Amino acid sequence: AQSVTQPDIHITVSEGASLELRCNYSYGATPYLFWYVQSPGQGLQLLLKYFSGDTLVQGIKGFEAEFKRSQSSFNLRKPSVHWSDAAEYFCAVAAPPGNTGKLIFGQGTTLQVKP
Amino acid sequence: GAVVSQHPSWVICKSGTSVKIECRSLDFQATTMFWYRQFPKQSLMLMATSNEGSKATYEQGVEKDKFLINHASLTLSTLTVTSAHPEDSSFYICSATPAGGADTQYFGPGTRLTVL
Repeated sequence: AQSVTQPDIHITVSEGASLELRCNYSYGATPYLFWYVQSPGQGLQLLLKYFSGDTLVQGIKGFEAEFKRSQSSFNLRKPSVHWSDAAEYFCAVAAPPGNTGKLIFGQGTTLQVKP
Repeated sequence: GAVVSQHPSWVICKSGTSVKIECRSLDFQATTMFWYRQFPKQSLMLMATSNEGSKATYEQGVEKDKFLINHASLTLSTLTVTSAHPEDSSFYICSATPAGGADTQYFGPGTRLTVL
């Protein structure tokens, strides 16, 4: 069965520091991969997505993610974190690819940003 | 663009009553809408897929008679929690896929349901 694992439940970084949020997936073929951010009172916002092609994907708000097939990973990165980035981050996989009705989410990672 | 709204944003009801939650795509037509449930500090679990003009498809373990879904138009889907009980208290989130753009879901802000 398809699954998504976000190993880090909670991460704290200092403002201005770099960030990497981990995501591992289990799927037999090349999946469609997503990163969403959830802020209190707001809906999940799509940061970026990977379907095919260049394995380094650029998203909004300065985020990027790299698809590594050999490691079944799709880690999210940002070179310099801002206080406004504090939120809940979810990695998700569409399974099967193209059928976006079956979004399987990871457990989420809570990002706290220290001043 | 691609804004999805939900109403109400929060609701408190008595046990045994029914509650209706609306999900609207404001600036696009959505052939497919989805309903998720999110428990505190947990991930989103897909409850059902709603296609305009047809019956919803429920995920395994979701009671279709308890969670009634109607997708009467290309911009509106409703979730009715019937005979609500305290264990139905949760955060309900909808999402929508634009017609012709089946690769991305856009999410509503969610509805917090508390059943007393």
